[in-house]
Amino acid sequence: AQKVTQAQTEISVVEKEDVTLDCVYETRDTTYYLFWYKQPPSGELVFLIRRNSFDEQNEISGRYSWNFQKSTSSFNFTITASQVVDSAVYFCALSLNYGQNFVFGPGTRLSVLP
Amino acid sequence: EAGVAQSPRYKIIEKRQSVAFWCNPISGHATLYWYQQILGQGPKLLIQFQNNGVVDDSQLPKDRFSAERLKGVDSTLKIQPAKLEDSAVYLCASSLDRADLYEQYFGPGTRLTVT
Repeated sequence: AQKVTQAQTEISVVEKEDVTLDCVYETRDTTYYLFWYKQPPSGELVFLIRRNSFDEQNEISGRYSWNFQKSTSSFNFTITASQVVDSAVYFCALSLNYGQNFVFGPGTRLSVLP
Repeated sequence: EAGVAQSPRYKIIEKRQSVAFWCNPISGHATLYWYQQILGQGPKLLIQFQNNGVVDDSQLPKDRFSAERLKGVDSTLKIQPAKLEDSAVYLCASSLDRADLYEQYFGPGTRLTVT
């Protein structure tokens, strides 16, 4: 069975600090997909990124970057120069081929203080 | 483009009562998902539809939960009878097609409280 672990329950940083959210996954399948979602206080989940198991290239989008390492089964998310608006719960998720067996991690609550 | 619509937004019922939630996905989205999110946890997939067929319902408690997607558009999720542990936010999401290819868009959720 698939499993996603986010060991950091809560993180607090001061604005402009960099912060990394950890995600470790477990699956026996060779084809799988990894995701990050943001859930702001309003409650609606927002898609941030999708990565497939064959693409280990790191990705940068503005202040966001993702580090995918199959050797350690990790898909970590870094926010550079954090802002108060980044305060939210962040979820890492995994699905198998054809988008099935979607599993979310428990989430990490990020608080960015002014 | 209108987002995923859900109703009601809030519902309070007593245990052993029945309740139904409704979801209207984004127009043209073939795939629809229902999730249960208990406070402080990540969403748990209950059921996934592809058009009006069920793709994955392995985590749906079928003795009390049921879901349907008539005509491959709107969907309803029913709980009968409800238990205290069913208190959660029920999220509906849709995607153009499979989640490995297309982004899921989430609705605002229905917060259920069972007393």
